[in-house]
Amino acid sequence: EVQLVQSGAEVKKPGESLKISCKGSGYRFTAYWIAWVRLMPGQGLEWMGIIYPGDSDTTYSPSFQGQVTVSTDNSISTTYLQWNSLKASDTAMYYCCRGSGIYPHAFDIWGQGTMVTVSS
Amino acid sequence: QSALTQPASVSGSPGQSITMSCTGTSSDVGSYNLVSWYQQHPGKAPKLIIYEGSKRPSGVSNRFSGSKSGNTASLTISGLQAEDEADYYCCSYAGPNTWVFGGGTKLTVL
Repeated sequence: EVQLVQSGAEVKKPGESLKISCKGSGYRFTAYWIAWVRLMPGQGLEWMGIIYPGDSDTTYSPSFQGQVTVSTDNSISTTYLQWNSLKASDTAMYYCCRGSGIYPHAFDIWGQGTMVTVSS
Repeated sequence: QSALTQPASVSGSPGQSITMSCTGTSSDVGSYNLVSWYQQHPGKAPKLIIYEGSKRPSGVSNRFSGSKSGNTASLTISGLQAEDEADYYCCSYAGPNTWVFGGGTKLTVL
């Protein structure tokens, strides 16, 4: 079964760092793009950025450039989303999703989401 | 790169058809026939239901259809069912290698 499994919920304080993960299985991990999407409470989905594990080519939304870092560890088929200094406004659900190989420019497999809560 | 504009909510009765819009710009929706639509039930991950504006992935009901005119894409759901009640998001390729989502539309089945 093709799936993306994300790391568990996190509760952090402002200023702390955080790295959440997204592990792919059931397919050739390095051959598909992985994107990260934010869902803030009461808001819509926001596209944050995307990485191609095959060569680590990464693109960020202008809104998130410099705010987060996307990386990959192909030895364990895992992509990461990282913050160096969290803010309360980073409180949200974060999803990873796979760029489809058969449905152009669409995201066909989604992780279950990781809830990040930032509060003092 | 601004979010695509979707109505906050739409509603319909079982068996009816509804259409929701997704308005972008000439830099995203208007430039590419690469709009996708996602259905999200509360507490669940989004699910792809339309790609390339009007095509359905394998396994998605033919009650879902999509179209585009100019800078506006649309999603139509025919024969509304209670299980269709969910949030719906459009997403457009906005090149190069970037995408943009809409703010989402909450569908209520009366």
